Amino acid sequence: ELKVEQNPLFLSMQEGKNYTIYCNYSTTSDRLYWYRQDPGKSLESLFVLLSNGAVKQEGRLMASLDTKARLSTLHITAAVHDLSATYFCAVDNNDMRFGAGTRLTVKP
Amino acid sequence: GAGVSQSPRYKVTKRGQDVALRCDPISGHVSLYWYRQALGQGPEFLTYFNYEAQQDKSGLPNDRFSAERPEGSISTLTIQRTEQRDSAMYRCASSVDRGETQYFGPGTRLLVL
Repeated sequence: ELKVEQNPLFLSMQEGKNYTIYCNYSTTSDRLYWYRQDPGKSLESLFVLLSNGAVKQEGRLMASLDTKARLSTLHITAAVHDLSATYFCAVDNNDMRFGAGTRLTVKP
Repeated sequence: GAGVSQSPRYKVTKRGQDVALRCDPISGHVSLYWYRQALGQGPEFLTYFNYEAQQDKSGLPNDRFSAERPEGSISTLTIQRTEQRDSAMYRCASSVDRGETQYFGPGTRLLVL
């Protein structure tokens, strides 16, 4: 059974700092997704990673995929308060399996 | 349409009643997904369609849950004989094709009393 693990589950960081969220998964897959969810809102797609070595960047967020290590990272550069949200990774292996989410709080 | 829509947005029902949740995907999107999300957790996959064909229903919790997409557009998730443990946010998403970006609807919050 496919398992998707994110860490950390909770992250409190100061504005301007850098940090990385990790997403490990247990079986082979070449499709990995990152989503953002604000409190009480729906999910917003951030990145779709479709191949080993894929790297995508949007603003202060950069996502990468290593299919051999079954690992994806979401790197946050110079965090700002607006990035406070819950971030989910999801792996497509015939069904879609989401991680538990990383609740990010960026403090001034 | 502008995005994925779901109705109703809120549904309160009594235990034992049947409920039908509707999803209207983005026009032209081939793939449609149903998820359930408990508070503070990630979405849990239920089932998905390509056009009108249900491709995978392995995530449906039991036979009280069923879904259809008869014309390859609007989909309905039906829960029969609801139980309190069915209370959750039910989310629908659609994508241009399998493997592409999924766009999520606002969800239907179901409360079973």
